[in-house]
Amino acid sequence: ETGVTQTPRHLVMGMTNKKSLKCEQHLGHNAMYWYKQSAKKPLELMFVYSLEERVENNSVPSRFSPECPNSSHLFLHLHTLQPEDSALYLCASSQDIRRTDTQYFGPGTRLTVL
Amino acid sequence: DQQVKQNSPSLSVQEGRISILNCDYTNSMFDYFLWYKKYPAEGPTFLISISSIKDKNEDGRFTVFLNKSAKHLSLHIVPSQPGDSAVYFCAATTGANSKLTFGKGITLSVRP
Repeated sequence: ETGVTQTPRHLVMGMTNKKSLKCEQHLGHNAMYWYKQSAKKPLELMFVYSLEERVENNSVPSRFSPECPNSSHLFLHLHTLQPEDSALYLCASSQDIRRTDTQYFGPGTRLTVL
Repeated sequence: DQQVKQNSPSLSVQEGRISILNCDYTNSMFDYFLWYKKYPAEGPTFLISISSIKDKNEDGRFTVFLNKSAKHLSLHIVPSQPGDSAVYFCAATTGANSKLTFGKGITLSVRP
């Protein structure tokens, strides 16, 4: 397995469910990101981790809870979501958090909240 | 308020011709700009970037032009190929870190 992988690729959940999105990067990178892409909207940065420490939290509601247990894995824990949270959630990684470090994206998880 | 705008949602071009994708930004603090390409069911992939100290950067068939006074950048693809059909995102950042602000994207279709 190479690059950035995300599981599951599709997820349907009810508003009272708890689920987790998983991201794994096989590139030896130090930084990892969660993005959200809603329909007809730009990609929005949610969280940034550098060496397993959260360095950016873009005013994301607490029903989204990130976890970075090591530099290769990133999770997004979901609980009591709303239908408007339905979106494509993309994970990315980069060597470090310098702006010239190319971000490599996973294929995304398509989330539907009923 | 969107700081990076891609006002045309789609563009259709004949194979072999030039594709010009436009992007405008409002934040004068942006000083590093990137283009990403996205195929269906895949994540975006980095294409080309440009620093604000330059007005042009070229990589094979892809050239990005930056007009700082107009707060405008464009991506030129020449010659266009059917495999270039994808969604293209413009992104910008300011300062030293990698926090990217993206546009909504433009869907390019290259007709054989």
